[in-house]
Amino acid sequence: GDSVTQMEGPVTLSEEAFLTINCTYTATGYPSLFWYVQYPGEGLQLLLKATKADDKGSNKGFEATYRKETTSFHLEKGSVQVSDSAVYFCAPGDTGNQFYFGTGTSLTVIP
Amino acid sequence: NAGVTQTPKFRILKIGQSMTLQCAQDMNHNYMYWYRQDPGMGLKLIYYSVGAGITDKGEVPNGYNVSRSTTEDFPLRLELAAPSQTSVYFCASSYGLQGGSTDTQYFGPGTRLTVL
Repeated sequence: GDSVTQMEGPVTLSEEAFLTINCTYTATGYPSLFWYVQYPGEGLQLLLKATKADDKGSNKGFEATYRKETTSFHLEKGSVQVSDSAVYFCAPGDTGNQFYFGTGTSLTVIP
Repeated sequence: NAGVTQTPKFRILKIGQSMTLQCAQDMNHNYMYWYRQDPGMGLKLIYYSVGAGITDKGEVPNGYNVSRSTTEDFPLRLELAAPSQTSVYFCASSYGLQGGSTDTQYFGPGTRLTVL
């Protein structure tokens, strides 16, 4: 069935390193794609989203582009900070009543 | 706006006890959800609701019940608690204007439940 595959973690990076977290989906296409972030001890919150193919979502220095040709929505940040340490979830937005998230990728940034 | 609120924050139950996890949202969202998150794992949908009076099962509904008598509230009931229900429970809501999961979900802070 339709699903999202997310890069497994944990990922440990030094401050100012480049970050990529891969996310691919198997459906023919979703109306929208999301990245959520979960900081320690908190609920998930929206990081960014894209609402159509080739759309780029961005927030807090993070970016992700909805690539229909490669069925991907990879999350990138050019220079991570210690405060970016969190768990990141990729999620599809579908008009059917299917609500699911990727397995999550834990990121730890060390000074 | 308070957003999505959940009570309690923490709870310890004995096996066989029952409890209700409360969830409320003040954003006039149509859709509400209950997820559980086990340690080191992703989220699994327990139940969801697309509007007052309408609920439906998610991926892991066994051992839980829900009701949606108002737009604002979506309580989750655990009957006969079991150790397998030890988890962190998150309530979420969304507008649901386009249907499905196309809208941003807003999450509560979670309830950490331990069943001993």
